[in-house]
Amino acid sequence: EPEVTQTPSHQVTQMGQEVILRCVPISNHLYFYWYRQILGQKVEFLVSFYNNEISEKSEIFDDQFSVERPDGSNFTLKIRSTKLEDSAMYFCASRQNGGHLFGSGTQLSVL
Amino acid sequence: QQQVKQSPQSLIVQKGGISIINCAYENTAFDYFPWYQQFPGKGPALLIAIRPDVSEKKEGRFTISFNKSAKQFSLHIMDSQPGDSATYFCAASKNSGNTPLVFGKGTRLSVIA
Repeated sequence: EPEVTQTPSHQVTQMGQEVILRCVPISNHLYFYWYRQILGQKVEFLVSFYNNEISEKSEIFDDQFSVERPDGSNFTLKIRSTKLEDSAMYFCASRQNGGHLFGSGTQLSVL
Repeated sequence: QQQVKQSPQSLIVQKGGISIINCAYENTAFDYFPWYQQFPGKGPALLIAIRPDVSEKKEGRFTISFNKSAKQFSLHIMDSQPGDSATYFCAASKNSGNTPLVFGKGTRLSVIA
C-alpha cells in the first residue's frame, strides 16, 4: 500500500539553526500539506501546497517557514531560524480525492 | 467558527464495551468529517469518514453517526478491544480542492481487559 514517507524521524537542533524536514508524498496525489502536533495537543494545520505553490497557510506559518517541491517528488518544510516553541512533531500529508494520508512524522526538538 | 470541539478528553472502556466519542462543529461549510486514529509516535491514520448526505456510516466495528441539524457527529467503537487503545481525533474540512483539516483536541481511549 502506498505511504507518505518522512525523514528524518527525529531531528535535534540548536535554537536559531535552520532545519529542513523532508517528505515523499504519494506519487499520484495532487495536494500536499504540513501539519504539526505539539506534545499532547491537537494536530494543527501549517500550509497546503498545490500546483507548485502555496494555496493556504495558517497564522503559525510565518516568515520563518517555507515549503518547496524541488524535484517533483520530494516536499520539504524549512524552518529558517528555529525557536524553542517550534519543538513538535511535524507531519506531512497528501491527498488525491479522498482523505489525507499522513506520514509517520518528524519529531523536532529545539534546544 | 473554525473550531471542532471534541469530548471526552479521555475514556476508559471495558473490553467488549462500546466506546463513544463526540464532536461538534460550527462552520456549516464543512462537508467532510473524518476520524483519525493515532498510536504513540505515529502519524494519524484515517479510520472512517462521512459526508453530510448520510446520517450513519459503518465499517466493521466502527460507526460514525452524523446529525446535520445539530452540527454534531460521533464515533462508536463496538466490541472495543485493547488494541483499540489509542488517541482518536475527529476532523472537518470543506472537501473541495485542497482545504485543510481542522482537528478536534483528541480523545485518549484506553480499553481494559
